[in-house]
Amino acid sequence: GAVVSQHPSWVICKSGTSVKIECRSLDFQATTMFWYRQFPKQSLMLMATSNEGSKATYEQGVEKDKFLINHASLTLSTLTVTSAHPEDSSFYICSARVPGGIQGYEQYFGPGTRLTVT
Amino acid sequence: GENVEQHPSTLSVQEGDSAVIKCTYSDSASNYFPWYKQELGKRPQLIIDIRSNVGEKKDQRIAVTLNKTAKHFSLHITETQPEDSAVYFCAASGTGGFKTIFGAGTRLFVKA
Repeated sequence: GAVVSQHPSWVICKSGTSVKIECRSLDFQATTMFWYRQFPKQSLMLMATSNEGSKATYEQGVEKDKFLINHASLTLSTLTVTSAHPEDSSFYICSARVPGGIQGYEQYFGPGTRLTVT
Repeated sequence: GENVEQHPSTLSVQEGDSAVIKCTYSDSASNYFPWYKQELGKRPQLIIDIRSNVGEKKDQRIAVTLNKTAKHFSLHITETQPEDSAVYFCAASGTGGFKTIFGAGTRLFVKA
């Protein structure tokens, strides 16, 4: 199947600093990527849809100025958590849709990035 | 918007028994229902999916059923094994730009 990578896999930062998370599609081009947030023992909550060459579409309740998304190329989307606070500590997972499957696309996930804000 | 409810939140079965996880969705426009398995600290992985024009699909020990009228769909795992222990998520989406909305997840424990 398609491969989606994320970097870093884990990061610890101090409150007030910014952290950038990269999501790459390694063997395919992804015009659309999705960013999810997952708290311990909870579901995947969609934060935003990242579109190559245009602005991201944010879900209700997600601050676009705090979670900056840039999809500068067909293989890279970045999520920057600005002015991080301890409540931003979470597992962030990106995913991309690949043509194929019974629906015309299949969704593949990155390995996730665990962010801890101290 | 779409809302997906999943039950139970936790399920414990004896090895060899069957496990059933149920989901309901709200948006009648949803026509694609994938199931994902997530092991601790790892990425979700697609294990089986079904479209709304099909009522049932089976892949070895895993099967999904869909009742489009009632907006219910279920995952059935037969002859469970300890390695089936994980969190399972149901999801719903549609064609084109439809978002994939996930259920809350079911933590399955298979006791040896």
